[in-house]
Amino acid sequence: NAGVTQTPKFQVLKTGQSMTLQCAQDMNHEYMSWYRQDPGMGLRLIHYSVGAGITDQGEVPNGYNVSRSTTEDFPLRLLSAAPSQTSVYFCASSTRTGGSPLHFGNGTRLTVT
Amino acid sequence: AQSVTQLGSHVSVSEGALVLLRCNYSSSVPPYLFWYVQYPNQGLQLLLKYTTGATLVKGINGFEAEFKKSETSFHLTKPSAHMSDAAEYFCAVTADNYGQNFVFGPGTRLSVLP
Repeated sequence: NAGVTQTPKFQVLKTGQSMTLQCAQDMNHEYMSWYRQDPGMGLRLIHYSVGAGITDQGEVPNGYNVSRSTTEDFPLRLLSAAPSQTSVYFCASSTRTGGSPLHFGNGTRLTVT
Repeated sequence: AQSVTQLGSHVSVSEGALVLLRCNYSSSVPPYLFWYVQYPNQGLQLLLKYTTGATLVKGINGFEAEFKKSETSFHLTKPSAHMSDAAEYFCAVTADNYGQNFVFGPGTRLSVLP
């Protein structure tokens, strides 16, 4: 069982470059989300989706874009990378049921120089 | 709005000693509570969760946590630490009945000394 798969695992970008972080899940989960993890700050929600065609902003959405064309995929786009976006990014999914846990991918470590 | 605090960004215990990681939350409605563990260079893995019912919940790897509504706490314990328990631990809360709006604490890094 693959669960939540994120690619790439590591990425280095120069300031101003754009890129897409991929996330796919095979559990037929309606809810998908993107978090960034920074030291001492826990996880902060960037964007989320409650189903195909539906996305919304989280706590820290600026500089990021998402789309959800299928249930399985939820890519995160960095439009013009900045050093402040250096972080570890996690994709997570769950069913839309109270008390359901989030299932996480293994993360993408992004460095912007 | 919900929030989570975890007392101690770094906790060290000796192998075989009791592990106690503290989590306090604020929520205006009954919450769902979770503990996750993160090993180096990996994603977060669910340790245990509280939804309803019994307030003492058991999880994987010998961990357990007790929901105390009067103290708004959900502390994580393990009677005897093992070297393999060294990791970062995150407490999370949500009051959402649709599986979203999780709020995570800042995390506690557990070191286990031989």
